[in-house]
Amino acid sequence: QVQLVQSGSELKTPGAAVKVSCKASGYTFTNYAINWVRQAPGQGLEWMGWINTNTGDPRYAQGFTGRFVFSVDSSVSTTYLQISSLKAEDTAVYYCARKTRGTYYADYWGQGALVTVSS
Amino acid sequence: QSALTQPPSASGSPGQSVTISCTGTSSDVGAYNYVSWYQQYPGKAPKFLIYEVNKRPSGVPDRFSGSKSGNTASLTVSGLQAEDEADYYCCSYGGSNNLVFGGGTKLTVL
Repeated sequence: QVQLVQSGSELKTPGAAVKVSCKASGYTFTNYAINWVRQAPGQGLEWMGWINTNTGDPRYAQGFTGRFVFSVDSSVSTTYLQISSLKAEDTAVYYCARKTRGTYYADYWGQGALVTVSS
Repeated sequence: QSALTQPPSASGSPGQSVTISCTGTSSDVGAYNYVSWYQQYPGKAPKFLIYEVNKRPSGVPDRFSGSKSGNTASLTVSGLQAEDEADYYCCSYGGSNNLVFGGGTKLTVL
């Protein structure tokens, strides 16, 4: 069965960096892209962008350029979200979600990774 | 790209039908038949509910249906059940490989 398993919760201080992982199983990894979606506490879903797991090409939404980097290691079927120069407003749950090539929806989701930024 | 507009809340009694709207623009909802819907329980990951306006993935009850007219998409939940109480989010393709979510609607089953 398709599964996306994300890394655990992180507590970071402002200015630090964090790397969230999303390990896929149950399907051919490079046949599907991975979306990243942010959900701040008590807020809605916000699309951050996606990465082509076959080529490694990322696509970032407006507002998620510069400090946010998507990467992939297909040898371990894992995608990564790295956020640098963390700010308090980056505190959120970050979800990865699978995207079928040529379509625009997210069918399977990871369980989410809570990143808390606090001094 | 601005978030799609959803009502913050909706409600209905068990057995009734409720419809949640999702209003975008002629650049997103109105331009493409790539509207999807997600259900989210508190503290849980979203669940895929509807894709390409009105298609249901396998396993999603046919009580859930989607439609679109102009720049507004809608999710209808028929035969409301207590377990349908959750947050619902719409999402649309906005061109140039961009997606945009709605602000979410909290559905209460009275």
